[in-house]
Amino acid sequence: EDQVTQSPEALRLQEGESSSLNCSYTVSGLRGLFWYRQDPGKGPEFLFTLYSAGEEKEKERLKATLTKKESFLHITAPKPEDSATYLCAVQGTGRQLTFGSGTQLTVLP
Amino acid sequence: DTAVSQTPKYLVTQMGNDKSIKCEQNLGHDTMYWYKQDSKKFLKIMFSYNNKELIINETVPNRFSPKSPDKAHLNLHINSLELGDSAVYFCASSLVLGGTTDTQYFGPGTRLTVL
Repeated sequence: EDQVTQSPEALRLQEGESSSLNCSYTVSGLRGLFWYRQDPGKGPEFLFTLYSAGEEKEKERLKATLTKKESFLHITAPKPEDSATYLCAVQGTGRQLTFGSGTQLTVLP
Repeated sequence: DTAVSQTPKYLVTQMGNDKSIKCEQNLGHDTMYWYKQDSKKFLKIMFSYNNKELIINETVPNRFSPKSPDKAHLNLHINSLELGDSAVYFCASSLVLGGTTDTQYFGPGTRLTVL
C-alpha cells in the first residue's frame, strides 16, 4: 500500500526566513510525486510534478526536489501570501493519488 | 472560465436524508474523480471515471453512487446520510488516467454537514 508522511505538521516562519517541508513516501513503482497548495476553504492547487530521483522544479520562491524516498519543498524568503497547507501526493502503479496530511505553513509579517 | 466547478459549496442536512453533489469540468479532460477530505485534512480517493466508465472504486459504502452522464460531468449521490459522512468532498479531473500528463485539477469543494 502506498504511503505518504509529511513533516512538520505545522510550521511558522518569519517573512524572509527560508525553510523546507518534507514528504517521505513508500510506493510501488513511482509514476509521479505531486505537490499541491491548499488555501482555507478552497481546493488543492497544483504546484509541481516530479517523476524521477534527482529531478528539481522551481516556481517563484518554491523549489521541489526528489530522492528515491522523499521529496522536499524548499521555500526561499517566504512572504505572508505563501501561508497555506502544502500537500504531497504520490502516484504508483495503482494510478490513483495517495496524499499526505499536509504541512500547514504560516508566514508572519 | 472556471475549470472544475462543484455545487453546492455547502450542504447541511439531517441524518437519513439523500443528497447529491454535482461536478463539471470544462478542461476537456477524460478522467474525473471524487475525493473525501476528513477533519485531519487527509484527501482520500473515492471514485474515478474515465470517459464515463468507472475505473477506481475504493472501499466506499454503497450508499455512495457516482454517476457520469458525460465525460464533463461526474455527480455524487449519497443515500441515507450518516454523521460520519460529514467532510469536504472534492471533485477533480485529469487529461488521462495513468499517463505522463495526468495532473489532477481540483474543484473548490463541497462541505457536507450531517446533523
